[in-house]
Order: sequence, then structure tokens, then C-alpha cells
Amino acid sequence: AQSVAQPEDQVNVAEGNPLTVKCTYSVSGNPYLFWYVQYPNRGLQFLLKYITGDNLVKGSYGFEAEFNKSQTSFHLKKPSALVSDSALYFCAVRDKGDYKLSFGAGTTVTVRA
Amino acid sequence: SAVISQKPSRDICQRGTSLTIQCQVDSQVTMMFWYRQQPGQSLTLIATANQGSEATYESGFVIDKFPISRPNLTFSTLTVSNMSPEDSSIYLCSVEEGGGRPYEQYFGPGTRLTVT
Repeated sequence: AQSVAQPEDQVNVAEGNPLTVKCTYSVSGNPYLFWYVQYPNRGLQFLLKYITGDNLVKGSYGFEAEFNKSQTSFHLKKPSALVSDSALYFCAVRDKGDYKLSFGAGTTVTVRA
Repeated sequence: SAVISQKPSRDICQRGTSLTIQCQVDSQVTMMFWYRQQPGQSLTLIATANQGSEATYESGFVIDKFPISRPNLTFSTLTVSNMSPEDSSIYLCSVEEGGGRPYEQYFGPGTRLTVT
């Protein structure tokens, strides 16, 4: 079985400050990890993924995420948040060799001007 | 990445009726998926639809309630049958392209369904 936990329902930051959205996962094998963003009344947009290799992966819109195997975490980060980053963020995991994606509950990010 | 469209974008339906949602992709893809996002909640996989075979349903979802068609590599439909207010959700299709973008799933804009 695989699962994802996003411990924070909401994250509030000021524009220009660093943004971190937390994610921990559980899989039986090797994890493939993903971040998606959902803007109001729109579908999910792919941000980035970790499959193998360098633990720090870079994605769209200046976001990056760090894979930490010992802590089973894959936190999403952005050095300087923008008001336009305000959205709902989902972490997802799949087990290597499986096609099924399991999503976390989502974290609402609000960036205030 | 693939461009995915869904029809309708939203609908309001009466209980007991059925609605068919269409998903069109601008390129050929092997794997297509249907998800449900209930109000204020995360995404849950309903089924996987591969061309040429019957859909594979996840636990808690059955073919009689959510029949799926996949007639070719660019199109799929999901029907929500005998609807009740509990079926009010956003329904999203997604595809996995493979090739130069392995393991990445891309999502359509969703169909917002309200059952009264």
C-alpha cells in the first residue's frame, strides 16, 4: 500500500519570503514522487517529479523539491514566493512498477502582498 | 505535454439520471485514467482505461455505476449512472504520455458535476 501525508492544511507566507510545503510518503518499494498545483476552477498542473538521481529536483515556476529517503519526505520549496503562487498544492506518490498515483489531501498556500 | 479537453465543463443534473463525460487528447496515449475530486477533498482514482481492454476499477468503484469506454488512443468516456447528490464532484481524466516524459500524468480541466 502507498500513501501520502501533507501535514499542513494551509500555509501562509508574505510575498518575497521562502515557501515550504511539506510532504511525507509511504511505499513498499522505491517511490516515484510528484507535485501538482491546482488553481481555482482549473485542473491539476504538473510541477515536478523525483524518479531517481539527484535528490534536489527543479520544476516549473521556480519550484524545487528535495527527496529525503531517511525521512521519507519530499518537501516543496520556493526561495521567494509570489502572490500568484497562491493555490492548492498536491503531493503524490507511486510505487516503482505501478501506474497508480496516490495523492495527499492537499495544502492551500496563500501568499500575501 | 499532451493537451487534454473535457466535455462538459460543468453540469447540473437531477438525481436518478446519468451523465457521460468525454475526454479528448491531442495525441495518442496508451494509459488514460479517471479521477474524482469530491468537494474540498483530494483526488481518488476511479479506474484505468486502456485501449482494447476493459477498464480496471479501484476499490469502491464498480462498472455498473461508472461505465467507461476507450474506443481509441485519443478518446475516452466516463458515465456516472443513476446519480445521487453524493456523486457531486469534479471528475478529471488524465493521461500518461511516456516517451520523453516518463511517469508523468497530465490532467484535463475537469468536469464539475452537481446533482440535485
